[in-house]
Amino acid sequence: QQQVKQSPQSLIVQKGGISIINCAYENTAFDYFPWYQQFPGKGPALLIAIRPDVSEKKEGRFTISFNKSAKQFSLHIMDSQPGDSATYFCAALGGGADGLTFGKGTHLIIQP
Amino acid sequence: NAGVTQTPKFQVLKTGQSMTLQCAQDMNHNSMYWYRQDPGMGLRLIYYSASEGTTDKGEVPNGYNVSRLNKREFSLRLESAAPSQTSVYFCASSEARQIYGYTFGSGTRLTVV
Repeated sequence: QQQVKQSPQSLIVQKGGISIINCAYENTAFDYFPWYQQFPGKGPALLIAIRPDVSEKKEGRFTISFNKSAKQFSLHIMDSQPGDSATYFCAALGGGADGLTFGKGTHLIIQP
Repeated sequence: NAGVTQTPKFQVLKTGQSMTLQCAQDMNHNSMYWYRQDPGMGLRLIYYSASEGTTDKGEVPNGYNVSRLNKREFSLRLESAAPSQTSVYFCASSEARQIYGYTFGSGTRLTVV
């Protein structure tokens, strides 16, 4: 049973555009929602995270939007750059879960 | 550099062979985790250790065993490797996980032939 559904699987965005990745969760007891960025040959690295008591969190060009009633959250990358090309994972934690539950990932390519 | 160190980085095993993946962290974190990453599957939790001396099964524990040797080290053992265990394995550690998140190692790419 997949508890965190992520879309799209892959995404191509032109340099300077906005990249949007969406996630939906099922377990209403989740209370921490991080996004991880992974470059080839490397482990995932924490990018930004949000708790359900806020609807939006911004760090530089990266923004998480959170909709608690819809059980959805999304990552927006503004002014996308070729260096942002990576695989992005959403995740969720809480409700007695043993560890982070990850989405299946989005392979993002930013075209110059 | 501080962080999570995994060894080896690459390994090829024959079906039925055994091996241990090593993981060490120098951040004084209490919790440690083993995940496997497969194409299109994301990361799936194999085992975790909430603190020194404790270990628990995650989502996909079959075919694996773990040892929390001390606060720094958490090893993953494959007793009889199978081709289905071909994957990239990541170790991670965390402290106040909801604030600081997990720190991942760079992974071990394992191929079982």
